[in-house]
Amino acid sequence: AQSVTQPDIHITVSEGASLELRCNYSYGATPYLFWYVQSPGQGLQLLLKYFSGDTLVQGIKGFEAEFKRSQSSFNLRKPSVHWSDAAEYFCAVGAGSWGKLQFGAGTQVVVTP
Amino acid sequence: EAGVTQFPSHSVIEKGQTVTLRCDPISGHDNLYWYRRVMGKEIKFLLHFVKESKQDESGMPNNRFLAERTGGTYSTLKVQPAELEDSGVYFCASSQWGSEQFFGPGTRLTVL
Repeated sequence: AQSVTQPDIHITVSEGASLELRCNYSYGATPYLFWYVQSPGQGLQLLLKYFSGDTLVQGIKGFEAEFKRSQSSFNLRKPSVHWSDAAEYFCAVGAGSWGKLQFGAGTQVVVTP
Repeated sequence: EAGVTQFPSHSVIEKGQTVTLRCDPISGHDNLYWYRRVMGKEIKFLLHFVKESKQDESGMPNNRFLAERTGGTYSTLKVQPAELEDSGVYFCASSQWGSEQFFGPGTRLTVL
């Protein structure tokens, strides 16, 4: 069965510290992988996506993610978080760039001063 | 360019009533999707339109939910009659072929 797991429901990080959000997937075919962010009162915004090619993907707002096929993971990282990074982050997988997405449960990130 | 818009932003209704949610996709996007997030759970796919046709409705929970996309433009999702377990946030997204999905802000539905 296909699944997306975000093991961390909630993460607290200090402003300026590094952040890593974990995502593991189970998918029969080559997956299309996405990270979305939802800030309070906003819709989901795409941070980055992986379809093929270089396994280290750069996104917006200084985020990057690395696709590791052997570990079925697509972890999101940011070297130095800003208070505005406080939001909920969702990992998602799809069969293609335009098909339905399957989401993880989300990770709520709190940024402390 | 305007993003995906959804109306209303919030809706509070009583069990047994009918509610209609509306989604206006980004102009020119043939693909339109509906998703739902029930409290404490993950975001789940409901259905996918290509223009006015239903491409995939495998996620629709039951026949109390009816989705339409008039003329391949905006879409409505009607819940009739609403039940308590229908409460949650309903997201709409749209995309062009080969591009990622752009999401709206969602409609928060509360069924009392």
